[in-house]
Parts: sequence; C-alpha cells; structure tokens
Amino acid sequence: DAGVIQSPRHEVTEMGQEVTLRCKPISGHNSLFWYRQTMMRGLELLIYFNNNVPIDDSGMPEDRFSAKMPNASFSTLKIQPSEPRDSAVYFCASSFGGTRSPLHFGNGTRLTVT
Amino acid sequence: GIQVEQSPPDLILQEGANSTLRCNFSDSVNNLQWFHQNPWGQLINLFYIPSGTKQNGRLSATTVATERYSLLYISSSQTTDSGVYFCAVRAYYGQNFVFGPGTRLSVLP
Repeated sequence: DAGVIQSPRHEVTEMGQEVTLRCKPISGHNSLFWYRQTMMRGLELLIYFNNNVPIDDSGMPEDRFSAKMPNASFSTLKIQPSEPRDSAVYFCASSFGGTRSPLHFGNGTRLTVT
Repeated sequence: GIQVEQSPPDLILQEGANSTLRCNFSDSVNNLQWFHQNPWGQLINLFYIPSGTKQNGRLSATTVATERYSLLYISSSQTTDSGVYFCAVRAYYGQNFVFGPGTRLSVLP
C-alpha cells in the first residue's frame, strides 16, 4: 500500500497565480479530506468527500478555493487567484467509511505565495 | 462545536524518561485518533482509540469516553519521539474530525 500520495511536495508561486494541489487516496478508501495547517489556526478541515461527492465544504475559506474529486482515485484543490495568506501546508487524508474510521494522511504540500 | 484541549502544550524530556500527554474533549465522541507530526511535517497515525486501551511498543493510549478524555503514554522516550502530538476527535453529531492544538515534545539526548 503506497499510502496517500500528494503532489507537489513544495509549491512556490506569485500572488495572483492559480495553484493546483493533487491527491491520490489509498486504494479502496471512499472518503477524502483536505486539511490546511498554519501556525495561527492549526489543522483545519477545508472539505470532505464521501464516494466522490462533497459532503461538507464549510471550511473552504472563500470562493477562491475549489475542490473536485472526479473519480475515486484522484482529487484536486485549486486556489485561484492565490494570495500570500494562503501560504500553509495542505494535507490530504483518506479513510474507509467516512469519519467513523481512521484517517490516513499524505505527506502534505507546502505552499508559499509571494 | 466540540472543543478539544491538549496538555501540556510543551514538554521537554531527557532521553529514557516517561511521559503522559492528555486530550480533553467537550462532548461525546465516536472516533478519536492520536497522531505524531515528526520534524519533517509528516502526520503519522499512532492510535485509533475511541474507547479502551491499546499498546504499540513503547507507546500506549487509553480513552475514557464517558469522562471525555484520552491519555497517550510514552515510555523510555527516544530522540525520534520528538515532534508534535495531536489528538483528533469526531463528535457523535458531527461530520468532521476536530484537532486539538497539539503537545510539542522535545526529547534531548
């Protein structure tokens, strides 16, 4: 089992540019979560998919953020346009059976917006 | 929503010492996990423990759901145990995991 795979590991971009983060969940897992980690706010849930359907996106900061899960093995988190305050580590996690099951995290994407 | 507190916020140990980390939560939960975030930023599953006691090598955890707390025990600490330990819970009525603020552990050689 390769675990949850995220790409890229690091992303540096200029303010105003579009950023796309990618995630491949563990095979067989049907729930996928996007988290953001900052020093100020800790780990916060952005959006949660179950069976490729967004269940809760109340954590998505604003319309500049969007997430998709076109199939069971791939998800993207897009920021357009990016701002310096979006700088953070973005984690993807997956589980089998939603939030009643253990979460398994990817290694994260460190995003820096200058 | 559910509130999660962790204590202590920071802990410095000499290698070989034992420690207990605590997680308190404000409502009934049906899911609780302990994670270790290592100095490279990786979040590692330690325990899935909504209730009861589990052990894995030098680490063990106990959750007393009726009293709304969980404890993580680290025995004979090693420098590789350094990092931040997070407790994450899911309330019965909630959809999401809520993370505590973490305990930052430094184990000195």
